[in-house]
Amino acid sequence: DQQVKQNSPSLSVQEGRISILNCDYTNSMFDYFLWYKKYPAEGPTFLISISSIKDKNEDGRFTVFLNKSAKHLSLHIVPSQPGDSAVYFCAVRNYGGSQGNLIFGKGTKLSVKP
Amino acid sequence: SAVISQKPSRDICQRGTSLTIQCQVDSQVTMMFWYRQQPGQSLTLIATANQGSEATYESGFVIDKFPISRPNLTFSTLTVSNMSPEDSSIYLCSVEWRAIILFGQGTRLTVV
Repeated sequence: DQQVKQNSPSLSVQEGRISILNCDYTNSMFDYFLWYKKYPAEGPTFLISISSIKDKNEDGRFTVFLNKSAKHLSLHIVPSQPGDSAVYFCAVRNYGGSQGNLIFGKGTKLSVKP
Repeated sequence: SAVISQKPSRDICQRGTSLTIQCQVDSQVTMMFWYRQQPGQSLTLIATANQGSEATYESGFVIDKFPISRPNLTFSTLTVSNMSPEDSSIYLCSVEWRAIILFGQGTRLTVV
């Protein structure tokens, strides 16, 4: 059973508007959450992360929100730009494992239209 | 940040053969990892490549199928052995760099 779920395989947004990408997880023991962006033929690029002791982390146009009670996190991109068009992966650190032991969702393909 | 180079970037291989993927990092790193992304699936950790000792494999992955070498702090290889079409995936090298997990560009493997 999937421990990290991104229920929207794709999302289309107009340039300048807000993009909201969602992610749900199953295990309340997960303590560190990450978002990666992936362009075709490239590896995933780290975007932003959040620890379970916080509920919000902001970096420029990107903000990640964590709702621990709902086991839900979201990535907000404001304003969205055509260059943001990519696949976005949510990942959680697998507790008890090494730093690199990440569990990924299947990704959401974001298309930002000019 | 650290730059990760993987070779080859893609390959088409015959079933029953083996392919070795190389990963070179431009800085010394303690932790290196190998991931796989099967078509339509999420990334899955295969193993942690330990410098100077045997790799640590995740459930469902075994050394005979995916032997890994880590001779120093900047280099690792992953071999996909006795390949079948089910091994067609993107294989990614990753490293821990200042508490962030960075990825190489991946190797797209097609087994025919």
